[in-house]
Amino acid sequence: GIQVEQSPPDLILQEGANSTLRCNFSDSVNNLQWFHQNPWGQLINLFYIPSGTKQNGRLSATTVATERYSLLYISSSQTTDSGVYFCAVSTDTGFQKLVFGTGTRLLVSP
Amino acid sequence: GAGVSQSPRYKVAKRGQDVALRCDPISGHVSLFWYQQALGQGPEFLTYFQNEAQLDKSGLPSDRFFAERPEGSVSTLKIQRTQQEDSAVYLCASSLEWGEVYTFGSGTRLTVV
Repeated sequence: GIQVEQSPPDLILQEGANSTLRCNFSDSVNNLQWFHQNPWGQLINLFYIPSGTKQNGRLSATTVATERYSLLYISSSQTTDSGVYFCAVSTDTGFQKLVFGTGTRLLVSP
Repeated sequence: GAGVSQSPRYKVAKRGQDVALRCDPISGHVSLFWYQQALGQGPEFLTYFQNEAQLDKSGLPSDRFFAERPEGSVSTLKIQRTQQEDSAVYLCASSLEWGEVYTFGSGTRLTVV
């Protein structure tokens, strides 16, 4: 099956700093989503981005499908950005079962 | 409803007990997924429904796990004769169609003692 690796595994930032999270995947994908899991366990969808670039406020994401990676950029980080960031992908052409990556645990300190 | 609702939020079960976990997806969402998340890991796929049809149950870890969605809306994940290794957070997600954005519920944290 497809392998999804995320880096770095852990990241500690001072409030206001910028960061880049990376997701590498081992096969072509039809679906790629970024999620934030907050400290209470809620998974929030950030982006649906199988290719191209999207921006939403302080967050943006880019997927280079031909090179099998995606990047999530967080600018001017806030303490509420803390949690675990997951990249999830699917290679299916029918219903798309998402395979989650290993996650990046982010801690933003005041 | 506005989001995916799961109940109970927490469940403690004695080993050998049967449990039932409920998922109420967003109204009108055709696709419903169950995932299992062990501590410190990413979610792992269990099963998928399109309306009332269970199209993929390849992720269910054993025949003690059973899921249903009889009317194409609410879904129940049942675990029979719970074991300690079943302890995890069980997440439900729904989407309008396949290939679309997933919305996850808050999950049910199951602890088997």
